[in-house]
Amino acid sequence: QKEVEQNSGPLSVPEGAIASLNCTYSDRGSQSFFWYRQYSGKSPELIMFIYSNGDKEDGRFTAQLNKASQYVSLLIRDSQPSDSATYLCAVTPGDGLTFGKGTHLIIQP
Amino acid sequence: SAVISQKPSRDICQRGTSLTIQCQVDSQVTMMFWYRQQPGQSLTLIATANQGSEATYESGFVIDKFPISRPNLTFSTLTVSNMSPEDSSIYLCSVEGTGVADTQYFGPGTRLTVL
Repeated sequence: QKEVEQNSGPLSVPEGAIASLNCTYSDRGSQSFFWYRQYSGKSPELIMFIYSNGDKEDGRFTAQLNKASQYVSLLIRDSQPSDSATYLCAVTPGDGLTFGKGTHLIIQP
Repeated sequence: SAVISQKPSRDICQRGTSLTIQCQVDSQVTMMFWYRQQPGQSLTLIATANQGSEATYESGFVIDKFPISRPNLTFSTLTVSNMSPEDSSIYLCSVEGTGVADTQYFGPGTRLTVL
């Protein structure tokens, strides 16, 4: 059974610091990896995707992938109060996405 | 990314009834997906809907309970049949992204409460 594991948090980070979010997955056939941000009462918003081992940077966000360890992470630099949300890790070996339960991130001003 | 709308945005229904949720996209897409997000939980894929073929359901979801239509490349419906309070969830449709493999973009969701 495909599983995606995340620490549910809450993870509390001071404003301006680096927030580090982690995710592990069980299906070694997974090919694509995603991070979604979900504000309370809203639908998920895609913020990062990564396909290859290593780092991928986009603005203040960096996604890291290690397929050998079946591990994906998201770093948010210079954290802002507007980054406070639930971050969902998702993976896919096929058409649909398998989601983790999400990490609730709180940026403290 | 495509603009996705869903109707209704929310509804309160009585047990034993059915509700049909509509998903409309502003551009043609091959693949559309339906997810459920139960209170305090993450998203679970219900089924994949391709135009011109039967929907493909995930384990634990059956066509009799969640019939899906996909009449064209911009529209799909999900029906929640013979509802019970356990069906109270947010139902989301998503569409494949263009140009970036496997990406999906979500509609605003339909919040369903079953009494």
